[in-house]
Amino acid sequence: DIQMTQSPSSLSASVGDRVTITCRTSQSISRYLNWYQQTPGKAPKLLIYAASSLQTGVPTRFSGSGSGTDFTLTISSLQPEDFATYLCQQSYITPWTFGQGTKVEIK
Amino acid sequence: QVQMQESGPGLVKPSETLSLTCSVSGASLSNYYWNWMRQSPGKGLEWIGYLYHGGATKPGSTKYNPSLKSRVTISVDTSKNEVSLKVNSVTAADTAVYYCARVSSTVAAAGGGYAFDVWGQGTRVTVSS
Repeated sequence: DIQMTQSPSSLSASVGDRVTITCRTSQSISRYLNWYQQTPGKAPKLLIYAASSLQTGVPTRFSGSGSGTDFTLTISSLQPEDFATYLCQQSYITPWTFGQGTKVEIK
Repeated sequence: QVQMQESGPGLVKPSETLSLTCSVSGASLSNYYWNWMRQSPGKGLEWIGYLYHGGATKPGSTKYNPSLKSRVTISVDTSKNEVSLKVNSVTAADTAVYYCARVSSTVAAAGGGYAFDVWGQGTRVTVSS
């Protein structure tokens, strides 16, 4: 199975901050990397697919980059509704696997 | 607007079979990958498997996570527009929130791989005697 390692596991930030989350995979997955946002008690919500494509309806302050084994999710200006857990997921090969999550908390 | 909703027993006894149903509204089951996933504090989010429903003209297929493969069955009931999950011989390790989710046909068709664009709200299952 492809292992997904996110860093950091949690971070504290303020409204308006620029936030960067990293996802590293145990083998190259080209650009088959998706990002999700999850709030407590809710299902994940697709933000970014294919490493850098913004899902319809997702604010443009979210962006993704990377290829191969190293990927980044950036929130350009953190908003109150962005405090959540962010998950990466690879779809290069089954079993599709997820990162353990990065929790973004209010400073 | 596509909606998905999981239902089933919240409590299952060890060694018994966990059975969940995902009701899909607003979309046909045809030509989509329908997935089950689960999330627990210890193991994070885990993909269980998918069923691809090809419709009347194409064959369907299933694929399961090898970690569960021998115990899992995913099936569809097109008359009810439902996708079902069965996990047999459950243990406490199967305690989790279970989600059904659909792979985005738009993303897949664009060569973007398999991304889950519609999810159910999740249903909590506890395995305990």
